[in-house]
Amino acid sequence: NAGVTQTPKFRVLKTGQSMTLLCAQDMNHEYMYWYRQDPGMGLRLIHYSVGEGTTAKGEVPDGYNVSRLKKQNFLLGLESAAPSQTSVYFCASSYGLWQGHQPQHFGDGTRLSIL
Amino acid sequence: KQEVTQIPAALSVPEGENLVLNCSFTDSAIYNLQWFRQDPGKGLTSLLLIQSSQREQTSGRLNASLDKSSGRSTLYIAASQPGDSATYLCAVQTDSWGKLQFGAGTQVVVTP
Repeated sequence: NAGVTQTPKFRVLKTGQSMTLLCAQDMNHEYMYWYRQDPGMGLRLIHYSVGEGTTAKGEVPDGYNVSRLKKQNFLLGLESAAPSQTSVYFCASSYGLWQGHQPQHFGDGTRLSIL
Repeated sequence: KQEVTQIPAALSVPEGENLVLNCSFTDSAIYNLQWFRQDPGKGLTSLLLIQSSQREQTSGRLNASLDKSSGRSTLYIAASQPGDSATYLCAVQTDSWGKLQFGAGTQVVVTP
């Protein structure tokens, strides 16, 4: 039972390069989320999706884009990486609220360094 | 804007002592409050979820209370063990889309 899987686990980029982080979940969850975690700041929501083909901005969306072409996958893209985007990125998924209050399930994170 | 605070940022206790972790939030209009555990280099694991209409939830040695009117939640861990060493985060769900606002966490060390 894989749960939420993030790839890659680690990556080093140079300023200006682009990359895509992949999140896959096998729990048939409707909602998916991308967070970043920085020291001393907790997790902050970047973008989220409430269903296949939908995306919405979170608290810190600038510099990121997302896509949800399939229900089980949620992609986070950095078009032109900046050192300020050095962080640990977490993907999470959950059922919709109409299915009851359910906790979010998290992947193990992607550690991204921008030089 | 909802703000979530966890004090203290770090805590060290001897094995066997009860742990008390605090979480406060500024806006009482929440759907639920969630407590998570995070081990170094790992993702978050859900511990307890308290709906806004509930006062507490229990799971084994863990008990979480919620006082929505005062904007506070407390996580109690009874008879702490070295395996309880981790960072504990609380988060409040702020809308029906499941958006969470997190505190910065309390790093706990339980010494043998």
